[in-house]
Amino acid sequence: NAGVTQTPKFQVLKTGQSMTLQCAQDMNHNSMYWYRQDPGMGLRLIYYSASEGTTDKGEVPNGYNVSRLNKREFSLRLESAAPSQTSVYFCASSENPSQSGPLAGELFFGEGSRLTVL
Amino acid sequence: KQEVTQIPAALSVPEGENLVLNCSFTDSAIYNLQWFRQDPGKGLTSLLLIQSSQREQTSGRLNASLDKSSGRSTLYIAASQPGDSATYLCACNTGKLIFGQGTTLQVKP
Repeated sequence: NAGVTQTPKFQVLKTGQSMTLQCAQDMNHNSMYWYRQDPGMGLRLIYYSASEGTTDKGEVPNGYNVSRLNKREFSLRLESAAPSQTSVYFCASSENPSQSGPLAGELFFGEGSRLTVL
Repeated sequence: KQEVTQIPAALSVPEGENLVLNCSFTDSAIYNLQWFRQDPGKGLTSLLLIQSSQREQTSGRLNASLDKSSGRSTLYIAASQPGDSATYLCACNTGKLIFGQGTTLQVKP
């Protein structure tokens, strides 16, 4: 059981380049998330998808776009990378949306994608 | 605005010691609270999820408590082992998840 799988694990980009981070989960979860983790800033939500066919902005959505391709897959795209987007990106999934209050399920995380923008 | 604080930022203990990690939050109107473990270079692994109506949850050597009125949660680790060395994060759900910055634990053999 793979859980949440992210690709690539490492990537180096030049300023202005574009790229897509891929995420897939095999737990049949409804909700998926993209977080970034930075020293001193903790984990911050970029975008989330409460269910297939929906996406919403999180705390720090600027400079990113997402696509919920199907129930399993949720991708994060950087259209024009900037050095401020150097970070570790985590995809996560849960059975119910974390925004559903008391119904919120446990979050399961991928192993992260380490992105450096020069 | 919900703020989640974990103190201390780092902790070093000898193997076998019982220890407590702290998580405090400013808004007591939470739905649930989740504790995670993160190993270096890895993702977060869910340890325990406590609903707002619960006082504690246990899993093996781990016990998490929740006191909404005081805005505190603790993660108790019994008989610590070197394999417990990791960063531990708490996250409060007030309609969205807010993470603390974590406590990095080192258990020395």
